[in-house]
Amino acid sequence: ELKVEQNPLFLSMQEGKNYTIYCNYSTTSDRLYWYRQDPGKSLESLFVLLSNGAVKQEGRLMASLDTKARLSTLHITAAVHDLSATYFCAVDGKPNDKVIFGPGTSLSVIP
Amino acid sequence: ETGVTQSPTHLIKTRGQQVTLRCSSQSGHNTVSWYQQALGQGPQFIFQYYREEENGRGNFPPRFSGLQFPNYSSELNVNALELDDSALYLCASSKTRQGILTGANVLTFGAGSRLTVL
Repeated sequence: ELKVEQNPLFLSMQEGKNYTIYCNYSTTSDRLYWYRQDPGKSLESLFVLLSNGAVKQEGRLMASLDTKARLSTLHITAAVHDLSATYFCAVDGKPNDKVIFGPGTSLSVIP
Repeated sequence: ETGVTQSPTHLIKTRGQQVTLRCSSQSGHNTVSWYQQALGQGPQFIFQYYREEENGRGNFPPRFSGLQFPNYSSELNVNALELDDSALYLCASSKTRQGILTGANVLTFGAGSRLTVL
């Protein structure tokens, strides 16, 4: 059974600082997703990573995938308050190829 | 293009009752997945519907059931409600090949239906 873990679960950081969120998963998968959820809102797709070594960037967020290590990272550069949200990684599970989510990382960016 | 719409947005039920939640998928999508998100947790996969049939199920009991209609919209039904069923229920539509995401296709989520069971 596929398990998806995230570290840390809670993150409080100052504006302007850099930080990385880690996502580990337990079985082989070639597709990994990052989503953002604002309080009381639904999930918004940020990135889909489709192969080993894939890197995607959008604004202050950069995601990467190492399928051999079963690890993805979401790097935040020069954080701003607007990035405060919960970030989820998700992986296509085997054998039924359904998308399984991690527990989320609650990010709070403090002025 | 229209996004994923869910109804109702909020509802309150009592233990033992039954509930039906509805979802209209995004234009061009052929697959619907349902997730349960308890407060402070990640979404948990309930099941997926493709071509009007259940196509994969998570660790949820049979009292959770669903339907998909020819227009790709979907319903989630929960019978014999329990207190632990209180959660945000999220519908996600996608474009798949036989239920499998390919290429850059991703799940597109609706705003959710928040169910409270008293």
